[in-house]
Amino acid sequence: GDSVTQMEGPVTLSEEAFLTINCTYTATGYPSLFWYVQYPGEGLQLLLKATKADDKGSNKGFEATYRKETTSFHLEKGSVQVSDSAVYFCALTDAGGTSYGKLTFGQGTILTVHP
Amino acid sequence: EAQVTQNPRYLITVTGKKLTVTCSQNMNHEYMSWYRQDPGLGLRQIYYSMNVEVTDKGDVPEGYKVSRKEKRNFPLILESPSPNQTSLYFCASTPGQGGETQYFGPGTRLLVL
Repeated sequence: GDSVTQMEGPVTLSEEAFLTINCTYTATGYPSLFWYVQYPGEGLQLLLKATKADDKGSNKGFEATYRKETTSFHLEKGSVQVSDSAVYFCALTDAGGTSYGKLTFGQGTILTVHP
Repeated sequence: EAQVTQNPRYLITVTGKKLTVTCSQNMNHEYMSWYRQDPGLGLRQIYYSMNVEVTDKGDVPEGYKVSRKEKRNFPLILESPSPNQTSLYFCASTPGQGGETQYFGPGTRLLVL
């Protein structure tokens, strides 16, 4: 079945540092790929997404490129802020429709940014 | 405002006492689902519904029931809760299948003693 693997955390950075959170996936169909963010005490919010190979999703300074050849969707940000402290989830859904919209999630990566 | 709402947000109960967590969306979405979040495991799908009166099991359905009598509502029922159902629960909705964004509720934190 489909699966998503994220780099193990937690990740601790200083403000303005460069961020990379690795995400790789296995899927039998043609997945759409997502990054969701969960701020403390809140639900999940969509951060960015990409629906086909070589697409780049971007939002709030975060970027991720859909790499079919390496089955990866790594999240990057050039300069993190304290307000980026959150849990980040990589996820996929089968765009071919057989999974009826089900999201398959990675285990989540806790990011803490210090001033 | 387009949103998914859940109630209650926090719940402490005892083993065996039936409970219901409500979920409602105001976006006229056809597809709704329930997930549970556990440390180190990410989110796992419990049940989903493709439309009114159409529901099916996700990856971890044991001990849960759902119903979909109206398009906007998708309650999660625990008939006889057990401590291993202590978790953070999220309801989500999406317009349909095929790679579209899912919208999540704020979560319900459940503790079963």
